[in-house]
Amino acid sequence: ELKVEQNPLFLSMQEGKNYTIYCNYSTTSDRLYWYRQDPGKSLESLFVLLSNGAVKQEGRLMASLDTKARLSTLHITAAVHDLSATYFCAVDLIQGAQKLVFGQGTRLTINP
Amino acid sequence: GAVVSQHPSWVICKSGTSVKIECRSLDFQATTMFWYRQFPKQSLMLMATSNEGSKATYEQGVEKDKFLINHASLTLSTLTVTSAHPEDSSFYICSAKGPNQPQHFGDGTRLSIL
Repeated sequence: ELKVEQNPLFLSMQEGKNYTIYCNYSTTSDRLYWYRQDPGKSLESLFVLLSNGAVKQEGRLMASLDTKARLSTLHITAAVHDLSATYFCAVDLIQGAQKLVFGQGTRLTINP
Repeated sequence: GAVVSQHPSWVICKSGTSVKIECRSLDFQATTMFWYRQFPKQSLMLMATSNEGSKATYEQGVEKDKFLINHASLTLSTLTVTSAHPEDSSFYICSAKGPNQPQHFGDGTRLSIL
């Protein structure tokens, strides 16, 4: 059974600081997704990481994937209040079929 | 970009009634659609996967007779919650994908059973 674990589950930080969210998964996969969810809303796709060593950046967010370590990171640089949300990583259970297994989510609160 | 429309966005109904939720891909052909359920402050849990023209594949623990899924066309899948009870109250999210595409998520349906 594929397990996807995020760390931390809750994160409160000040604007301007940097932090990293970690996503570990238990079985081989080379396809990992990061999503953002605002309260009461559905998922917004942030990044799709398709291969070992993949790194993608959008604004203050940067995601990377190490398939050998079965680890992905979402790094936040110089956080701003608008980034407050819940962030999920998700991994394909069956490669190519996109049967996603989600992490528990990391609830990020950025304080002024 | 690919758009998935989910309707209704919010429904409140009495216990024992059946509720149908629609998921439509507006600008692409969705060969596969997925239905997820999310309880408050929890993650998304996959309920079932449906391929156009085929019976849905349900995840372990999901009652097939309670959550009826139909994927009759390449642009529409429906989830019917039959004889809904308060414990079925949740946020239901669909997603759709075409060949060689990532999943595109609908806006979700908040279901409240009184």
